[in-house]
Amino acid sequence: ETGVTQTPRHLVMGMTNKKSLKCEQHLGHNAMYWYKQSAKKPLELMFVYSLEERVENNSVPSRFSPECPNSSHLFLHLHTLQPEDSALYLCASSQDPAGNTGELFFGEGSRLTVL
Amino acid sequence: AQSVSQHNHHVILSEAASLELGCNYSYGGTVNLFWYVQYPGQHLQLLLKYFSGDPLVKGIKGFEAEFIKSKFSFNLRKPSVQWSDTAEYFCAVNSSYNTDKLIFGTGTRLQVFP
Repeated sequence: ETGVTQTPRHLVMGMTNKKSLKCEQHLGHNAMYWYKQSAKKPLELMFVYSLEERVENNSVPSRFSPECPNSSHLFLHLHTLQPEDSALYLCASSQDPAGNTGELFFGEGSRLTVL
Repeated sequence: AQSVSQHNHHVILSEAASLELGCNYSYGGTVNLFWYVQYPGQHLQLLLKYFSGDPLVKGIKGFEAEFIKSKFSFNLRKPSVQWSDTAEYFCAVNSSYNTDKLIFGTGTRLQVFP
């Protein structure tokens, strides 16, 4: 049990679908992150939220839209995705990015397949 | 821009063999360094970390890593691996002034055979 829960664990969607990934952390942390994990590539940081405000957006295409309604929940809304967006999407949280060393606690990921 | 290089993509060892996984980073300022591990079917978890002080850091399960500033390296070592160490290992770095952005390497897949 990681303290960071992601749903769904697996998702298959067509290029015209709209779906969302959900992340919930039970660790009392103040920052949450979305990473993309593709085979043979480094983990790619997509979005960072600190105290529910977005502080980092690594030039992610607009077909990915994050939402952080409170410090415990993070969503990634998906629409009109491309097959190359198929990957494992990881959510993570940390205590306080401004004050600590950035140690992250990860969820188990949502495996996305775009047909 | 910061980057992390892990030169070993796939390492295969027998039990009791010694392990060293390379990690080099590119960043001129003060950094924090991490090794994360992902066991098959499990989430990424922290193995060890370096902030400052003694450059030889000891982590869980007998792993250690040495920070060599002059070489921009943070190699992971274990004197005697076990079958249960089979996993993927990721080196990561962030700036001490911008801890929001943790940059990962491509990972090294370690397979240990009994």
